[in-house]
Amino acid sequence: EIVLTQSPDTLSLSPGERATLSCRASQSVSSSYLAWYQQKPGQAPRLLIYDASTRATGIPDRFSGSGSGTDFTLTISRLEPEDFAVYYCHQCDSSPRTFGQGTKVEIK
Amino acid sequence: QVLLVQSGAEVKSPGASVKISCKASGYTFTSYPVHWVRQAPGQRLEWMGWITPDTGDTKYSQKFQGRVTLTRDTSASTAYMDLSSLDSEDTALYYCARVPAPSEELDHWGQGTLVTVSS
Repeated sequence: EIVLTQSPDTLSLSPGERATLSCRASQSVSSSYLAWYQQKPGQAPRLLIYDASTRATGIPDRFSGSGSGTDFTLTISRLEPEDFAVYYCHQCDSSPRTFGQGTKVEIK
Repeated sequence: QVLLVQSGAEVKSPGASVKISCKASGYTFTSYPVHWVRQAPGQRLEWMGWITPDTGDTKYSQKFQGRVTLTRDTSASTAYMDLSSLDSEDTALYYCARVPAPSEELDHWGQGTLVTVSS
């Protein structure tokens, strides 16, 4: 099973700042099978990024993804008030599919 | 638009089973696999398995093998997740989600169904 470890657990930032979230895999993941989701309280996760770097439909261009192999990054260039949430990485390269433990982006 | 609407919250006793439905609309149900993911309080998202609606083929996480059964009713555009031998650790929000094959990411999610297991 591929274990995904996200860092940091919590990121305290102000609106307008840049957020950099990390996802490290215990073994190599094909870039075609790494996704990022955003989850707000009381809501289902929402797809942000797939194939490591492709924005999903309707996702603003302040969200970007990068990385390959075992190290992946989600960057939010300038935080908007609606971006404060929990973010999960997800590998769908091998079974069982797994998720990271999440990074909470909170208002400083 | 694509919508996945799940059945309502359930309260079950230990040892019981629960069956959750996920009704799809806004797309051709048989063209896209449906996955099931759960989220226990304070825990990370956990993948349970998937079903291919056109053939009924399934694949389960080994963790849930023998306890989970995924089925579908193509005439109703609905997928079902049946989990048996419930215990308190199965208390969680259960989500269905669509995969836009041939990609593998989960692009649309249901609203979630809370299952509480309590004596």
